[in-house]
Amino acid sequence: AQKVTQAQTEISVVEKEDVTLDCVYETRDTTYYLFWYKQPPSGELVFLIRRNSFDEQNEISGRYSWNFQKSTSSFNFTITASQVVDSAVYFCALSDLGQGGSEKLVFGKGTKLTVNP
Amino acid sequence: DVKVTQSSRYLVKRTGEKVFLECVQDMDHENMFWYRQDPGLGLRLIYFSYDVKMKEKGDIPEGYSVSREKKERFSLILESASTNQTSMYLCASSLGRTSTDTQYFGPGTRLTVL
Repeated sequence: AQKVTQAQTEISVVEKEDVTLDCVYETRDTTYYLFWYKQPPSGELVFLIRRNSFDEQNEISGRYSWNFQKSTSSFNFTITASQVVDSAVYFCALSDLGQGGSEKLVFGKGTKLTVNP
Repeated sequence: DVKVTQSSRYLVKRTGEKVFLECVQDMDHENMFWYRQDPGLGLRLIYFSYDVKMKEKGDIPEGYSVSREKKERFSLILESASTNQTSMYLCASSLGRTSTDTQYFGPGTRLTVL
């Protein structure tokens, strides 16, 4: 069965520190997709990245970077030089194609990041 | 930009009431989803729909039903609200069912059942 584990429930850092959020997944599919979402205090989930299982290249977007390692079934997210505005709950998600091709996502339980000034 | 809107940000209802949560997307997406979010449990899928008048049960459909009469609108119905349905409800949509497209979320409805 599809499963996503975010072992870190809460992380607290001081501004300008680097922080890595861990995501480990289990899947039965040979082709799958991984996602990261950010949920600020306002509540809306904001899409950050979508990664195909065939593409193991690391990705960098500004202060954000993602490390996808198929060998360890991990898709970790690093924020460099964290800022107070990065404070949010971050969710990792895994595609679940299911029967008939209908698509769903399986979410981890989230990691609450607090960045203190 | 993809826009997913939900009818209310906050809602307070009484036990036994029938509750309608509405979700509208403006990007002609095929798929629409309803989740509930609870502390320590993350997001759990209630129902989803990949076409008008089509619906599939998610992981926790009990106590809920859905309606999709038009492509852009997906309604979640609590037939007889109970206190254990107090939660944050999130609606999402994605492009189509031929690939795993990104789901885009609405702002959420925080429902309290008294």
